[in-house]
Amino acid sequence: NAGVTQTPKFQVLKTGQSMTLQCAQDMNHEYMSWYRQDPGMGLRLIHYSVGAGITDQGEVPNGYNVSRSTTEDFPLRLLSAAPSQTSVYFCASSSRDRFNTEAFFGQGTRLTVV
Amino acid sequence: RKEVEQDPGPFNVPEGATVAFNCTYSNSASQSFFWYRQDCRKEPKLLMSVYSSGNEDGRFTAQLNRASQYISLLIRDSKLSDSATYLCVVNNLNAGKSTFGDGTTLTVKP
Repeated sequence: NAGVTQTPKFQVLKTGQSMTLQCAQDMNHEYMSWYRQDPGMGLRLIHYSVGAGITDQGEVPNGYNVSRSTTEDFPLRLLSAAPSQTSVYFCASSSRDRFNTEAFFGQGTRLTVV
Repeated sequence: RKEVEQDPGPFNVPEGATVAFNCTYSNSASQSFFWYRQDCRKEPKLLMSVYSSGNEDGRFTAQLNRASQYISLLIRDSKLSDSATYLCVVNNLNAGKSTFGDGTTLTVKP
């Protein structure tokens, strides 16, 4: 099982560049989320989605856009990269089944903005 | 105040020790609770779910107190391989999102 697949695993951007982090899941999960993790800190929610066509802002949404056109994919767009966006980004998916709500994570994207 | 707060740690314990981690949450609408383990900035992985009745998985015991909005994780007979960061996670299913604590780092030493 592929589970949650994130690409790329590593990326270096120059300030002002834009890019899209890809996330795909093959578990038919309704819920998908993007988190960032800075050194020594926990995961902070950027954006999340409860289903195709529905997205919402998390704790730290500024500078990021998302869309959810299909159940499987949830790309995260950096509009104009800034050094403050240097972080590790994790995508996660989970089922809305109340009895099976474990979140599954991708392997992360390590982004450096110079 | 953060929605999910954990012991700041770090915890440095010898092999064989018993160690307990605590977590509190502020949103009473929270519906499901978990402990995740994260190694060396890799992706978090589920350690165990947490239920009001308490649950045990080998050396690990998790407990939920809904009245106090408090979650705990007990690790008995610590092993070197238990060294990791432990994340408390609270789900609000109605909102469709999970909230993570900042994590508590455990180092088990020989």
